[in-house]
Amino acid sequence: SQQGEEDPQALSIQEGENATMNCSYKTSINNLQWYRQNSGRGLVHLILIRSNEREKHSGRLRVTLDTSKKSSSLLITASRAADTASYFCATDLYSGAGSYQLTFGKGTKLSVIP
Amino acid sequence: DGGITQSPKYLFRKEGQNVTLSCEQNLNHDAMYWYRQDPGQGLRLIYYSQIVNDFQKGDIAEGYSVSREKKESFPLTVTSAQKNPTAFYLCASSIGLVTSGSMVRQFFGPGTRLTVL
Repeated sequence: SQQGEEDPQALSIQEGENATMNCSYKTSINNLQWYRQNSGRGLVHLILIRSNEREKHSGRLRVTLDTSKKSSSLLITASRAADTASYFCATDLYSGAGSYQLTFGKGTKLSVIP
Repeated sequence: DGGITQSPKYLFRKEGQNVTLSCEQNLNHDAMYWYRQDPGQGLRLIYYSQIVNDFQKGDIAEGYSVSREKKESFPLTVTSAQKNPTAFYLCASSIGLVTSGSMVRQFFGPGTRLTVL
């Protein structure tokens, strides 16, 4: 079962530009996370935002959350070639017995051109 | 150096064979997970385990089996019953399972790419 969907599927920008990726989800959440995956590697956690938070910053990353629209955005400012990767949002989805699964979207593939 | 290791990095299997993918963590995490990733797709949960000797099916458990005899280890066996096993397999761990109001991040291994010949 897939909860989150990222948009766009692919994004190509010049180094130094800002990159914005969006995530929409279907049911209410407790928190939303963003992960990054370099090609052929595992995922790395970037940032977590709680359902009662609207914005969060970490270095060049800015995440917003709009629970009324069931959407989140990830902004990477002053992009670098090393930011080239796929970015996934993950939300918690109730799986029964008081536990939740993390469900991942299909990701946005970001290419930063030097 | 704490983390999650997966081996092998690449694995080739003939049709009809079972293969086992290794996942080890030294983070002292209780929960462990196996995901499958197909090209251009997100991650799909195969199995997860909250504690030793306990595991639960995820969304796509058919054709797979797991064991959790030790806290550190969560091997995945891809059986011959899995009709389309060629994929990238990711193991992850977390302090515990996600529960209401908790904020649990997952730590991922580097992955194993399985190809059926």
